[in-house]
Amino acid sequence: NAGVTQTPKFRILKIGQSMTLQCAQDMNHNYMYWYRQDPGMGLKLIYYSVGAGITDKGEVPNGYNVSRSTTEDFPLRLELAAPSQTSVYFCASSRLSPEETQYFGPGTRLLVL
Amino acid sequence: AQSVTQLDSQVPVFEEAPVELRCNYSSSVSVYLFWYVQYPNQGLQLLLKYLSGSTLVESINGFEAEFNKSQTSFHLRKPSVHISDTAEYFCAVSDAGGGNKLTFGTGTQLKVEL
Repeated sequence: NAGVTQTPKFRILKIGQSMTLQCAQDMNHNYMYWYRQDPGMGLKLIYYSVGAGITDKGEVPNGYNVSRSTTEDFPLRLELAAPSQTSVYFCASSRLSPEETQYFGPGTRLLVL
Repeated sequence: AQSVTQLDSQVPVFEEAPVELRCNYSSSVSVYLFWYVQYPNQGLQLLLKYLSGSTLVESINGFEAEFNKSQTSFHLRKPSVHISDTAEYFCAVSDAGGGNKLTFGTGTQLKVEL
């Protein structure tokens, strides 16, 4: 199993540009998550999904959109990139229950200039 | 809602010395507790977790954590650290009553020196 994969690994965007961060998992997990990690701030939940067709906002959703058309894929869309979106983005997945481990991808480092 | 406090942002320690990374949480409901580790330029991976039962939980690489309900703490310890333990460690909680969302602390950078 590849686990959770993310592309790209690194990207530089200009202010106002848009992009999609890709995330895929091959563990048949129902839950998928997007986090951003900023220095000294820990991880903040952006959006999550409990299954195909179902998504919900996390703690910091502004400026982002998600969709979940399949169990495997959970892309994160940035519209009108801003410098405040410079961060490292992690995708994760897990099974249904709150005691289940979340499995993280390797991350996407985004720089908005 | 839950919150997690990791008071130590950085902990330097010499190799083979003991270490304790502190974690305190706040919650109005029962929680599950987790420690995740992030090695340089990698994603997070689970180190250990407390769900129920024995309050002392152990990882395969010598770390242990003890759940203390009265002090709302879940401190991580290792009696003798190695260079390879250098990483960032995150404490996290989830609502035991349902919902899979994790609330993370701000992380503790453990730097093991020779």
